[in-house]
Parts: sequence; C-alpha cells; structure tokens
Amino acid sequence: DAKTTQPPSMDCAEGRAANLPCNHSTISGNEYVYWYRQIHSQGPQYIIHGLKNNETNEMASLIITEDRKSSTLILPHATLRDTAVYYCIVRGRDTGRRALTFGSGTRLQVQP
Amino acid sequence: EAGVVQSPRYKIIEKKQPVAFWCNPISGHNTLYWYLQNLGQGPELLIRYENEEAVDDSQLPKDRFSAERLKGVDSTLKIQPAELGDSAVYLCASSSSGTAGNTIYFGEGSWLTVV
Repeated sequence: DAKTTQPPSMDCAEGRAANLPCNHSTISGNEYVYWYRQIHSQGPQYIIHGLKNNETNEMASLIITEDRKSSTLILPHATLRDTAVYYCIVRGRDTGRRALTFGSGTRLQVQP
Repeated sequence: EAGVVQSPRYKIIEKKQPVAFWCNPISGHNTLYWYLQNLGQGPELLIRYENEEAVDDSQLPKDRFSAERLKGVDSTLKIQPAELGDSAVYLCASSSSGTAGNTIYFGEGSWLTVV
C-alpha cells in the first residue's frame, strides 16, 4: 500500500472548518484513501473513504485531487470533541481484506 | 448494531504473569484483526484472521504471544509470560468481505500495564 505524509499537528478554532491534508503521491489506481481518527483512550474510529470522487457523510467530507496524489479531510464545523489524532491511510482495493497500515497521523487540537 | 467488544478494558499484572484478552467482532464479520498500539504511536498489526484461519501472523512475537479464533467468531489473544515492554493497548477490529471497501471497525481496546 502507498505511504502517506501528514503534518504532525494542527490547530483549529471551534466552529470553524478543519482542513486536514494528506499526501499520497505513490498511490496506485486501485487504492482507496481511508481516514480514521482516534480520540484519547478510545479505539480508532472510521470517518470516511474514497477512491476517485469526493465523498461526504455525516461526519466529514473527503476531497481527492484529480491526480489522486493528495487529499483533504474537511470537518465543516469543528467542535472540542473533534480533538483527536487523524490518520490518513491508503489501502488496496483488490486486497480488501488486508489490514490497515497506520502512520503517525495529525494531532488536531480544536481551540475554544 | 453492536460494535466490536473487547474485554477486559484495563489490566494490571506483574511481569512474568500470563494475560488474555477477548474480542467479539461485529456480527457477520469474518475478518478479525489484533493490533498493538504503543503510547504515542499508531496501531500495528499483530495478526489477521479470515474466519478461523490466521492468514497473516508475521508480526506476532510467537515466543510469548498466541491467538486463537476457534469457531471463526470470538478471538483470544494471550501473552505468557508478560514483560514490561508489553505495556500497551491491544486493539481488536473486524471487517466484512461484503462491505464496499471492506471498512474495518475497531473496538475500544484493552489497556495493559505490566509492573
């Protein structure tokens, strides 16, 4: 699976949009981009995933660039409860049962 | 729908003692994973099961760690004997081959402290 690069930390004001970038320049055509987050003392929580098109669900939006070499997770109205470590993970589609490989993630701190 | 259930949530043991963690995956999920997470790091895969078969256990330290999933549902991860360096969070996760993209769902984890 392709490797990802994320900033180690970011701050965001409560109520504002949080935009978390991820670089995956070696991604191949059959690989998905997954986002998970981990709030302190909890297990990783699935947020969203996408292949080519932008995706939106009740938690967040995922914007994937046209060349698929980078993506951005958007939390439209960040709250204090969104403070967590966010992991961007690239995972093969045709190896869908393979495990996720986590990097170091981005530690998002939402400020009041 | 119930999520992935793990127990115990917290465990403190003395070094050289045995310890076991239990996991009940989401109903219908045939793929089960055990991960290890050290403080300040991302989770790392220990073992992956497809039904009752361990298909990837290359990262499992087999001298002291063992796992089983006898009926292809619940799973147990055991450490014997535990060492100080085993203090970590042990995460269980599951996924279904029928789910688009095969999303993996995690439990809350079992926190182990070895003293």
